[in-house]
Amino acid sequence: EADIYQTPRYLVIGTGKKITLECSQTMGHDKMYWYQQDPGMELHLIHYSYGVNSTEKGDLSSESTVSRIRTEHFPLTLESARPSHTSQYLCASSLPGDRNEQFFGPGTRLTVL
Amino acid sequence: GQNIDQPTEMTATEGAIVQINCTYQTSGFNGLFWYQQHAGEAPTFLSYNVLDGLEEKGRFSSFLSRSKGYSYLLLKELQMKDSASYLCAVMDSNYQLIWGAGTKLIIKP
Repeated sequence: EADIYQTPRYLVIGTGKKITLECSQTMGHDKMYWYQQDPGMELHLIHYSYGVNSTEKGDLSSESTVSRIRTEHFPLTLESARPSHTSQYLCASSLPGDRNEQFFGPGTRLTVL
Repeated sequence: GQNIDQPTEMTATEGAIVQINCTYQTSGFNGLFWYQQHAGEAPTFLSYNVLDGLEEKGRFSSFLSRSKGYSYLLLKELQMKDSASYLCAVMDSNYQLIWGAGTKLIIKP
């Protein structure tokens, strides 16, 4: 059973605010991911990490940053939130090796007014 | 470009069988995943295919044909709790997952 946590679960903020979405996993997985998903749409990869001190940009990485100082922690920061950032943000981690089966956290539903 | 196609929505009857198709065009292939996602929740892993053929796991089976760029997910003895979106995802040559938009499955009594 995968144990991956995200906080907050829901967030409503005003335009221009800086926010950090938290993600932690207790499985010791090296690979971690951030996705953005709008209702009825596909997941879009924002950032990913292969391990500590490794961060890579996905297709949708502009306007956000990530850090990976510890294996278990992979926070996502939006420097200046905009209404276009309103979406569901999903964090995932995966087992080592080529199979890359991903385990997802419960998500953060972000609304920017 | 890379593309995953699956039907937007399907409807089936409780107790019946339904097949959800997925076709893909990706730069390389390192496996295909099916995930289930209930409304407002995170995706959960259902199956993984990397070789051609059928993988069976209880009421769910997944089939892959790499030469045709095609997979399907077969759900038997449908239950109301199977109402969800089913996401097809392909791992490309960079070992990144390319996701389809999902098929919303509606189960009627």
